[in-house]
Amino acid sequence: DAKTTQPNSMESNEEEPVHLPCNHSTISGTDYIHWYRQLPSQGPEYVIHGLTSNVNNRMASLAIAEDRKSSTLILHRATLRDAAVYYCILSLLSSQGGSEKLVFGKGTKLTVNP
Amino acid sequence: GAVVSQHPSRVICKSGTSVKIECRSLDFQATTMFWYRQFPKKSLMLMATSNEGSKATYEQGVEKDKFLINHASLTLSTLTVTSAHPEDSSFYICSAKGRTNYYEQYFGPGTRLTVT
Repeated sequence: DAKTTQPNSMESNEEEPVHLPCNHSTISGTDYIHWYRQLPSQGPEYVIHGLTSNVNNRMASLAIAEDRKSSTLILHRATLRDAAVYYCILSLLSSQGGSEKLVFGKGTKLTVNP
Repeated sequence: GAVVSQHPSRVICKSGTSVKIECRSLDFQATTMFWYRQFPKKSLMLMATSNEGSKATYEQGVEKDKFLINHASLTLSTLTVTSAHPEDSSFYICSAKGRTNYYEQYFGPGTRLTVT
């Protein structure tokens, strides 16, 4: 299984940008890069995903390195509500084919200071 | 975004009893549902994948006779923990995928199971 490496924790100040890094040096050509986040005692929430090009949505931006061996999730202005564990995940096809499953690593715990 | 609900949100049961957890997609048809468990301060661990109308595919090390999964319709999947024991106490989370937005999974709020 392709694996990702993320820092255990990061801190940011409110209203400042946050760059959350992720290394995935063994990524294959067909793996998508997904980011989910999980607030305490809640289920994870989709943030963004991409394949090769940088992606933007209302929540965040995803910057993907040219060799695809790393990516960065960018929160443009952190708020207290962005405090969560952020997971960088490479999509996998199940051994049965068809359905895509997500394998969660340890993620990065983001603390946002007021 | 799409909404996934779980019921119950919390359950306490005695050792040896069985517990059923429901996962529903409220505003879309879920062709695939996933079940995860999460221990305190740990990451999510995928237990099984289920496609509507077919048998669930269990991850290695997950006992299919202990964790019964039924995905009888496009909006409902159930996880039954049979003969629960204290070590089964955990946070159980389901997720669902539909025909559109294929690469996005929508997660439920989770069910906290405590076995006494």
